[in-house]
Amino acid sequence: AQTVTQSQPEMSVQEAETVTLSCTYDTSESDYYLFWYKQPPSRQMILVIRQEAYKQQNATENRFSVNFQKAAKSFSLKISDSQLGDAAMYFCAYRSTGNQFYFGTGTSLTVIP
Amino acid sequence: GAVVSQHPSWVICKSGTSVKIECRSLDFQATTMFWYRQFPKQSLMLMATSNEGSKATYEQGVEKDKFLINHASLTLSTLTVTSAHPEDSSFYICSAKDRRKTQYFGPGTRLLVL
Repeated sequence: AQTVTQSQPEMSVQEAETVTLSCTYDTSESDYYLFWYKQPPSRQMILVIRQEAYKQQNATENRFSVNFQKAAKSFSLKISDSQLGDAAMYFCAYRSTGNQFYFGTGTSLTVIP
Repeated sequence: GAVVSQHPSWVICKSGTSVKIECRSLDFQATTMFWYRQFPKQSLMLMATSNEGSKATYEQGVEKDKFLINHASLTLSTLTVTSAHPEDSSFYICSAKDRRKTQYFGPGTRLLVL
């Protein structure tokens, strides 16, 4: 079974600085999708970024980018120019070829003014 | 992005009663919807996968008769917690999958069973 591991329960970053959240996963599949979701205090899950495993190019969405290392099964999220509104729980997720989603345990990000 | 709504957002009920939670995809058709449960400061736990026009697929350990799921249309799935008990108190989140197979989540429903 696929597993998703987020080894950083909590992270903090100074406003305007850059922070990287780690995620590793275990799978025997070659074709899959990876996602980062954000869950602010409202608890609404918000899609931050997605990456198709067959694409070598790392996905970017404005201040958010990923470092996808397929061989290492690593999928980290970089947040540049951190803003107070970025404070939230961040969940890494893996979607299998069978369309099952697996979530990591989350990383709580604090942004320090 | 796509919009998914849930209703109600907050419900308090007496032990033994049933509660229905609705999940709607507002601007796209979703053949598949998912129901999750989330305890405080924990990750999402998939309860079941809801497929339009067919029976839901439940995860191991989730009672089918306890958590009834109906996906009668391409935009609506419902979760009914039957004979709710205090241990069913939780945050329930639904999601819907679009054509690109990306999940979009509803805002969640907080259930408190007294």
